[in-house]
Amino acid sequence: QSVLTQPPSASGTPGQRVTISCSGSSSNIGSNYVYWYQQLPGTAPRLLIYSNNQRPSGVPDRFSASKSGTSASLAISGLRSEDEADYYCAAWDDSLSGQVFGGGTKLTVL
Amino acid sequence: QLQLQESGPGLVKPSETLSLTCTVSGDSISTNSYFWGWIRQPPGKGLEWIGNIYYGVTTYYNPSLKSRVTISVDTSKSQFSLKLSSVTAADTAVYYCARLGKWLVPSWGQGTLVTVSS
Repeated sequence: QSVLTQPPSASGTPGQRVTISCSGSSSNIGSNYVYWYQQLPGTAPRLLIYSNNQRPSGVPDRFSASKSGTSASLAISGLRSEDEADYYCAAWDDSLSGQVFGGGTKLTVL
Repeated sequence: QLQLQESGPGLVKPSETLSLTCTVSGDSISTNSYFWGWIRQPPGKGLEWIGNIYYGVTTYYNPSLKSRVTISVDTSKSQFSLKLSSVTAADTAVYYCARLGKWLVPSWGQGTLVTVSS
């Protein structure tokens, strides 16, 4: 069982806006940065969001994220077929002194 | 630019010890503000943090793996290593080494697949 909680699946149609939630606790999301990763089939996870809401260079501004208390969310607007992937949230956990992850959300573009 | 590269056997027999090494370039492994760690992903499953080593001495392990994991550093080779003992098929996964930290943007290696099978 993952430390952070994500819905196992999400879906949307092209052009739609989709959000993925991530819930944690005071020892992780509540007191540290949240990161989001995108994993396309057969590839390594790619950092999509860092420091709660910052995009690395090369990540389209269709991807945005926010954090409030012990929860976070990733939003994808203008959904495209190439966004179909697994998405993971992550955060540092002070009680473990390590990185904890959500179980992943499989995004399907209908 | 920081680069991390995992290396080690791709096949390990059940009950034996899995050993992987991560070679770091582009940064000093002795920097005391970083944690050097390991993450794994079994086929078709999610990501799991295995453990970290801090300042080459202090280790932190996932409680679910703690009894079987050892992480160590060789600063002279700019490498850190993972040993996982008494492996079973459930330990089959892609293993990633990473530079981590409380306020640090994580950096990962490309990953290496380790299969546990006789």
